[in-house]
Amino acid sequence: EVQLQESGPSLVKPSQTLSLTCSVTGDSITSGYWNWIRKFPGNKLEYMGYISYSGRTYYNPSLKSRISITRDTSKNQYYLQLNSVTTEDTATFYCASWHGNYGAMDYWGQGTSVTVSS
Amino acid sequence: DVVMTQTPLSLPVSLGDQASISCRSSQSLVHSNGNTYLHWYLQRPGQSPKLLIFKISNRFSGVPDRFSGSGSGTDFTLKISRVEAEDLGVYFCSQSTHVPYTFGGGTKLEIK
Repeated sequence: EVQLQESGPSLVKPSQTLSLTCSVTGDSITSGYWNWIRKFPGNKLEYMGYISYSGRTYYNPSLKSRISITRDTSKNQYYLQLNSVTTEDTATFYCASWHGNYGAMDYWGQGTSVTVSS
Repeated sequence: DVVMTQTPLSLPVSLGDQASISCRSSQSLVHSNGNTYLHWYLQRPGQSPKLLIFKISNRFSGVPDRFSGSGSGTDFTLKISRVEAEDLGVYFCSQSTHVPYTFGGGTKLEIK
């Protein structure tokens, strides 16, 4: 079974860059699609974007030019960078896999809580 | 963006009851390839969301058959027959027909 694990700082200052890592075991990130989703306080879920098996990326337009998703295939990890954060970026961040036969995000990491505060 | 509206917000049930959650989308979720990418997730307390149902009515691996999904176009339903304690948590519908993918606001299934 695919397992995903998010890691990164739990506290980020406003205007700085939020950087998270998703470590994947049980599957290769050179197959499928590898996603980031966040959940705000109060249950709202927002889809952030993905990096594909080929390295192609898609970003939610709501995040404009603040987001970047990259990968290191040798480590089987992929990364999220969110620039110029504000307190409104405070959320729990999840990484999740997507395999074409389901058409859905099938396995999720446990999530990592990030607070933006000075 | 496609807006996903779930009702009810909260669903108090007794163990053994049937539960039904509705999800409505602001536009049709039928993809140009003919598939409808409407899915259901359960987030138990302290856990991450888990995929229950994909493409309207297909149970994901290991999901009990007391969970069933139905619907078409813009109106969808998740039914749980004979609710068990492990079913409690927040249910989300989600669409991946249109980008950006979007989620419903969640329905909290709790004990009456």
